[in-house]
Amino acid sequence: KAGVTQTPRYLIKTRGQQVTLSCSPISGHRSVSWYQQTPGQGLQFLFEYFSETQRNKGNFPGRFSGRQFSNSRSEMNVSTLELGDSALYLCASSPSGGFYEQYFGPGTRLTVT
Amino acid sequence: GEDVEQSLFLSVREGDSSVINCTYTDSSSTYLYWYKQEPGAGLQLLTYIFSNMDMKQDQRLTVLLNKKDKHLSLRIADTQTGDSAIYFCAYPDKLIFGTGTRLQVFP
Repeated sequence: KAGVTQTPRYLIKTRGQQVTLSCSPISGHRSVSWYQQTPGQGLQFLFEYFSETQRNKGNFPGRFSGRQFSNSRSEMNVSTLELGDSALYLCASSPSGGFYEQYFGPGTRLTVT
Repeated sequence: GEDVEQSLFLSVREGDSSVINCTYTDSSSTYLYWYKQEPGAGLQLLTYIFSNMDMKQDQRLTVLLNKKDKHLSLRIADTQTGDSAIYFCAYPDKLIFGTGTRLQVFP
């Protein structure tokens, strides 16, 4: 089975722009979660989608949003980018939701200049 | 609030044992996980321990849980260069991850 894939792997954007990141879960997995990883803050949970519905949400501003499609693929959008949004964004898929059995993708490295 | 702390770096010689430590403030989690992150890759679940256990051994990995001191550790026996990575402890049901320990193994 193919693992979790994320595109693009690297991205450079300018402050004020918006960005969309994509995540394709493992086939058959219905849950996708997104995390932000930075050297200072470590790993922080953004949100979880299950069967196209947002089920859990972390403590991030409304500039961060996401969605999930009927094929379980998920996108994450960040609007009005700030320098502090520079991070590695990881997505993880799970067969039945929750956080006990998650498989992580390699991440998208976003740099905001 | 909940907090999980790890030392930032650990450097060991190939063949020695490595011990990565994690201290936490919340003791209500059912499981405690250890993840490994290699360069350019996502997190990979290495091992986990139930909160009602004191120790778990899995080949070269030994997890120790001291609930009284709220201390979790991961011991890697016979450390190899392929073990060089960042290691995170985590509470999956609290969605809390440690800050990560970068393990460097030198020949």
